[in-house]
Amino acid sequence: EAGVTQFPSHSVIEKGQTVTLRCDPISGHDNLYWYRRVMGKEIKFLLHFVKESKQDESGMPNNRFLAERTGGTYSTLKVQPAELEDSGVYFCASSQVGGTPLHFGNGTRLTVT
Amino acid sequence: QKEVEQNSGPLSVPEGAIASLNCTYSDRGSQSFFWYRQYSGKSPELIMFIYSNGDKEDGRFTAQLNKASQYVSLLIRDSQPSDSATYLCAVNGRGSQGNLIFGKGTKLSVKP
Repeated sequence: EAGVTQFPSHSVIEKGQTVTLRCDPISGHDNLYWYRRVMGKEIKFLLHFVKESKQDESGMPNNRFLAERTGGTYSTLKVQPAELEDSGVYFCASSQVGGTPLHFGNGTRLTVT
Repeated sequence: QKEVEQNSGPLSVPEGAIASLNCTYSDRGSQSFFWYRQYSGKSPELIMFIYSNGDKEDGRFTAQLNKASQYVSLLIRDSQPSDSATYLCAVNGRGSQGNLIFGKGTKLSVKP
């Protein structure tokens, strides 16, 4: 079984630019989550999709972040415009019906300069 | 008070010893508790979960939960150098089922 895959693995952009991160969950997993870890801090929840619907977006930091999951398969997380404080590792996770346990991808390391 | 607290370490143990990792949490309403292992540059990997007070054993790993003390721990018996990693404690949050609150992690080093 293929795991959760994320693209790209690394991204370096300038402040003010736009970046789109992609996550492909494990096949058949209806639940998809985005988390991020900024340097020196703990991993923090951003949002949760059930299929194509946003179930919980309480962790989204502001309206510069837009997550989509059209068709209920892969998801994208767009940051526009990026700020320096957005730098960190963005993790995607997926799970079957029931919600847990979560299976994480390797993350996308985003650096905003 | 942080929601999930862990000693950042590093915790260093000799090969073959028992490694004891500890975690406290602030929300008494928490129901689900998870231990993830993360190697540098890799994804967090679930190694144990526990929902009820007491001990839960899986191979060399034992998770212990004490809800009255708001304390969860992970014991690794017969520690191996391959166990060297960062161990993350996570607790379910008040949002959706997969809304987990993580601690910063404890870095474990097992010396041959």
